[in-house]
Amino acid sequence: GQQLNQSPQSMFIQEGEDVSMNCTSSSIFNTWLWYKQDPGEGPVLLIALYKAGELTSNGRLTAQFGITRKDSFLNISASIPSDVGIYFCAGPDYGGATNKLIFGTGTLLAVQP
Amino acid sequence: NAGVTQTPKFQVLKTGQSMTLQCAQDMNHEYMSWYRQDPGMGLRLIHYSVGAGITDQGEVPNGYNVSRSTTEDFPLRLLSAAPSQTSVYFCASSLPGPNSPLHFGNGTRLTVT
Repeated sequence: GQQLNQSPQSMFIQEGEDVSMNCTSSSIFNTWLWYKQDPGEGPVLLIALYKAGELTSNGRLTAQFGITRKDSFLNISASIPSDVGIYFCAGPDYGGATNKLIFGTGTLLAVQP
Repeated sequence: NAGVTQTPKFQVLKTGQSMTLQCAQDMNHEYMSWYRQDPGMGLRLIHYSVGAGITDQGEVPNGYNVSRSTTEDFPLRLLSAAPSQTSVYFCASSLPGPNSPLHFGNGTRLTVT
């Protein structure tokens, strides 16, 4: 089946640094989603991408839908302590309902003040 | 506005016991789904539903049953708990369509001894 590979697995950075993480797949996705999970809570949608090449921002977050439709990137600029959490990429399973998502393995982000 | 409510928050079971994880949403969402989260594996889809009376299997359905008798509720049943089912379980709901994000509950942490 489809799989999503995220890298890096974890990042430990200083407050104010920029962060980059990516997600790759062996198969094509028509939608790329980025979620953030705060400790003890469920994931929350950050950014949704629907078209190859699309670049979308949400505050300090910017995500891109790769041209090949097999990858996506998330950047966080000027990180702050509340950026701590696990970041997941996700996409709908091929031919499945839009709530049938495949999730990446996650990138754990720790920000030191 | 409660959103997606999961109960209980924590549960410890002995091998072979049965239990039901409850999930309710008050947003009149047609779509509901159950995921489990394990370290290093992201979230994996257990079962999902696209409307009352309709359910289907996800990636890891074995050992779990679901039913959807109302739009609001989507309980997950473990008929005979096994240690391999120790995990954090998340329920999610959404409207149909690729532009409708999943709304997650805050999870149930289950330990099977």
